[in-house]
Amino acid sequence: GESVGLHLPTLSVQEGDNSIINCAYSNSASDYFIWYKQESGKGPQFIIDIRSNMDKRQGQRVTVLLNKTVKHLSLQIAATQPGDSAVYFCAEKVRGYQKVTFGTGTKLQVIP
Amino acid sequence: DGGITQSPKYLFRKEGQNVTLSCEQNLNHDAMYWYRQDPGQGLRLIYYSQIVNDFQKGDIAEGYSVSREKKESFPLTVTSAQKNPTAFYLCASSISTGTGSNQPQHFGDGTRLSIL
Repeated sequence: GESVGLHLPTLSVQEGDNSIINCAYSNSASDYFIWYKQESGKGPQFIIDIRSNMDKRQGQRVTVLLNKTVKHLSLQIAATQPGDSAVYFCAEKVRGYQKVTFGTGTKLQVIP
Repeated sequence: DGGITQSPKYLFRKEGQNVTLSCEQNLNHDAMYWYRQDPGQGLRLIYYSQIVNDFQKGDIAEGYSVSREKKESFPLTVTSAQKNPTAFYLCASSISTGTGSNQPQHFGDGTRLSIL
């Protein structure tokens, strides 16, 4: 398989449990945040985004929480399934600038 | 189905050779991007383009070149000047990212380039 997950922090979760993946972002001026899921051999897939005027946003089985005070972002996945196994990246962007800064990722391993 | 198509999936380069990676999108997105992904690292921006016939260098443009002659297409050439080209290359696109806009980038499934 692809080596994108090499040397990444790994979170192992039992199937059916909730998963929480954390991300510390670097730029206090960042006002837009995105979570991506990357399966082996594929490109990153958009999961959910959040703007800095919000603290929480929910999607289908996923919730993103933003704490601007400590520059922390988390992705919660409810009732984790084997298909959720992948590498998850957070990304941050400053309004008006083109560049998106990507984190190194966390590997989520779901135990059946 | 709308999406981003990268080809080929695997590519091999000989010493001193230029190779071109294809990226096509039918999402009608104005902005397109090329990233390089190495094991254990975040994505690094090579080049991006906000509009046809215009493109800008990213953080690691040396040894790479691009063109944007059509809205749908943003090919990346890895030149012989790139001394460490072995990596996974990802193309992305987004709705125009003008100063007032924040939109997610959508990615293709990548091209893995290796040196022979």
